[in-house]
Amino acid sequence: EDQVTQSPEALRLQEGESSSLNCSYTVSGLRGLFWYRQDPGKGPEFLFTLYSAGEEKEKERLKATLTKKESFLHITAPKPEDSATYLCAVRGLGGTSYGKLTFGQGTILTVHP
Amino acid sequence: EAGVAQSPRYKIIEKRQSVAFWCNPISGHATLYWYQQILGQGPKLLIQFQNNGVVDDSQLPKDRFSAERLKGVDSTLKIQPAKLEDSAVYLCASSTNQETQYFGPGTRLLVL
Repeated sequence: EDQVTQSPEALRLQEGESSSLNCSYTVSGLRGLFWYRQDPGKGPEFLFTLYSAGEEKEKERLKATLTKKESFLHITAPKPEDSATYLCAVRGLGGTSYGKLTFGQGTILTVHP
Repeated sequence: EAGVAQSPRYKIIEKRQSVAFWCNPISGHATLYWYQQILGQGPKLLIQFQNNGVVDDSQLPKDRFSAERLKGVDSTLKIQPAKLEDSAVYLCASSTNQETQYFGPGTRLLVL
């Protein structure tokens, strides 16, 4: 069974204070690791997909990296508008569902001005 | 491009009542998913459709939950009868060929 664990559960930063969120996973053959952002009262918003160890993707102040066991979401010089819950999910080769995502519990990021 | 539409946005019912949620996916997306998100947790897949066929419903509590996608476009998820532990956000997502999933705003259900 695929498993995803995110840490920390909550992170408070000052504006401009860079940090990283962690996503550890176990999966029977990785077919993709996904990062989503979720604002209160809204559905998850797609950020990145990573497919193989060593891959990196960037979008504005966010950069996602992937190893064989974990992924990091690096936030550089965050702004208050980056405050949200960040969700990590994996899609594996096993099982009958070819599109099934297994999500972590999320990291709640708060950026203070 | 219009996103995934869901209705209603909020629903409050009493336990043992029934409730239904509706989802209209992004145009052209063959795959549709229903997820349950309990407060403080990540979404959990309930059922996945490919066109109008079920691909995975292994985590759907079939004694009380049902879902259909009759014409391969929009879908309904029903709970009958509802229990207190069904209080959650029900998210619909869609994708092309099981690639990136795009989520709707969700329906927030409170069972009293």
